[in-house]
Amino acid sequence: AQSVTQPDIHITVSEGASLELRCNYSYGATPYLFWYVQSPGQGLQLLLKYFSGDTLVQGIKGFEAEFKRSQSSFNLRKPSVHWSDAAEYFCALRPRNAGNMLTFGGGTRLMVKP
Amino acid sequence: NAGVTQTPKFQVLKTGQSMTLQCAQDMNHEYMSWYRQDPGMGLRLIHYSVGAGITDQGEVPNGYNVSRSTTEDFPLRLLSAAPSQTSVYFCASSYKDIVSSNTGELFFGEGSRLTVL
Repeated sequence: AQSVTQPDIHITVSEGASLELRCNYSYGATPYLFWYVQSPGQGLQLLLKYFSGDTLVQGIKGFEAEFKRSQSSFNLRKPSVHWSDAAEYFCALRPRNAGNMLTFGGGTRLMVKP
Repeated sequence: NAGVTQTPKFQVLKTGQSMTLQCAQDMNHEYMSWYRQDPGMGLRLIHYSVGAGITDQGEVPNGYNVSRSTTEDFPLRLLSAAPSQTSVYFCASSYKDIVSSNTGELFFGEGSRLTVL
């Protein structure tokens, strides 16, 4: 069975600093990959997705992620963090033949220092 | 646009009580699903439906029932609540295949926080 691991449960960065959130997956082929963000008290919102092609994908709110097949990783990055980016971030995977069933990682909570 | 609407937002139950979490979407999505969110475990799929009259189990279905009589509604029923079902529940909907439709997006409700004493 597939799995998604987000090694960092909490991360704190200063406003204006760069950010990288790690995501590793286990799956026998190239999966479809997603990053979602959950603001406090809200549902999840899609930041970006990788289906195929260019391994560097751009998303909303200035986020990007890079798919690295050799490392089974899909890390999320942002060059300059804003206080409004404080939220919980989830990496998710969908196998090639699994309908819309997503497997989520445990999440990383981002805190932003002024 | 209402999107995905969940009710209630908060609920406290006693062990053994039953209740239904409601979910409605107004986007004419074929696919609907229920997830539970627990600290450190991300979201886990409970049940899903690919259309009216069709439901199937996800990763953690025990203790939950669903039905899909209309495209819009997908209620989640707890028949006999247990403390282990204390969680935040999310309903999500999408087009039938988020990859072939190239939307890539599940649309989530704001969640229902359930506490079972």
